[in-house]
Amino acid sequence: KNQVEQSPQSLIILEGKNCTLQCNYTVSPFSNLRWYKQDTGRGPVSLTIMTFSENTKSNGRYTATLDADTKQSSLHITASQLSDSASYICVVSAMRFGNEKLTFGTGTRLTIIP
Amino acid sequence: EAQVTQNPRYLITVTGKKLTVTCSQNMNHEYMSWYRQDPGLGLRQIYYSMNVEVTDKGDVPEGYKVSRKEKRNFPLILESPSPNQTSLYFCASSSGAAGNTIYFGEGSWLTVV
Repeated sequence: KNQVEQSPQSLIILEGKNCTLQCNYTVSPFSNLRWYKQDTGRGPVSLTIMTFSENTKSNGRYTATLDADTKQSSLHITASQLSDSASYICVVSAMRFGNEKLTFGTGTRLTIIP
Repeated sequence: EAQVTQNPRYLITVTGKKLTVTCSQNMNHEYMSWYRQDPGLGLRQIYYSMNVEVTDKGDVPEGYKVSRKEKRNFPLILESPSPNQTSLYFCASSSGAAGNTIYFGEGSWLTVV
């Protein structure tokens, strides 16, 4: 069964600090991995997309890494801001019969405090 | 601006009263889908559509219907809502190619009493 597990479930850090969120997956056959940011009560917004051959992808202060061998990904946030308070969702994609099948993690709830 | 628009954003309804949640995208995307999000669970796919008049079940289709008569619209229909369909619903669209950005709507909070 395809699964995506994220850790920690929640995290509180001081504004300006860095943090790293983890994503482990058992999805086959792997196609790509996405990280999304979801503000409370809003729709998820794409941060990064990585395919099998990509180790790292950056989007401003967000840097995602992918280790396809160990089936792990991380999202590193540098110099956190209050606006980074949100849930971060890891989404792993498998291709089956030409269709992309997504498996969503339950997210990490990040709170930035001043 | 790329947009996926859902309506209504908030709805409280009673058991058994049919309702429709509309979804519209302005990106000429072929692929559209509906998800529900419940506490402690990842987003789960209800139905998806690869193109006009092409729809298929996702992981949790029971109690829902969809239609795709036009490329831009993909309404979600609850023929006889029940309390276990109380949830946050998201419509999403993409070009359909693997690895392309998936755009989500702002969500529709549905409460069935």
